Amino acid sequence: AQSVTQPDIHITVSEGASLELRCNYSYGATPYLFWYVQSPGQGLQLLLKYFSGDTLVQGIKGFEAEFKRSQSSFNLRKPSVHWSDAAEYFCAVGRNTGFQKLVFGTGTRLLVSP
Amino acid sequence: DGGITQSPKYLFRKEGQNVTLSCEQNLNHDAMYWYRQDPGQGLRLIYYSQIVNDFQKGDIAEGYSVSREKKESFPLTVTSAQKNPTAFYLCASTGAEGRELFFGEGSRLTVL
Repeated sequence: AQSVTQPDIHITVSEGASLELRCNYSYGATPYLFWYVQSPGQGLQLLLKYFSGDTLVQGIKGFEAEFKRSQSSFNLRKPSVHWSDAAEYFCAVGRNTGFQKLVFGTGTRLLVSP
Repeated sequence: DGGITQSPKYLFRKEGQNVTLSCEQNLNHDAMYWYRQDPGQGLRLIYYSQIVNDFQKGDIAEGYSVSREKKESFPLTVTSAQKNPTAFYLCASTGAEGRELFFGEGSRLTVL
């Protein structure tokens, strides 16, 4: 069965510093990979997704993620964090048979310090 | 603007009562989903529907029921059989290409 691990429950980053959120997955074939962001009390918004092709994926709000098959990872990065990036971030893994098989990680809460 | 509307945003219920959460979308999406979110956990799938008048159980369907009488609507009923219903509930949908899940803003249910 597929699974997703986000090893960091909380991360604190200074405003303007770079960010990397970790995501490791377990899946027997080429996965579909997603990063979502959630502000408190809100729904989830898609930041970026990987289906195939270029392993470096650009998303919204200046985020990017790199698919590394050898490491089973799909880490999210941003070169300079803004205070408005404070939120919870979820990695998810799925396959091409529909979103009913999408598995979410437990999330990483990002705190941004002044 | 197209999107998914969930209501109510906050709901309080006494133990033993059923409650229905509304989910309406105007994205013309075929597939709709209900997820449950608890602190420190990822989203867990309750039910999904890929077409009108058809729905399937997800990973944690016990104590919940749904209907899909219209393409736009996918209400979720939390029944008294659900042992621990206090949670944040998210509705989502996806279009024909199925390449992205769109989420509503959620409904927070608290059982008193």
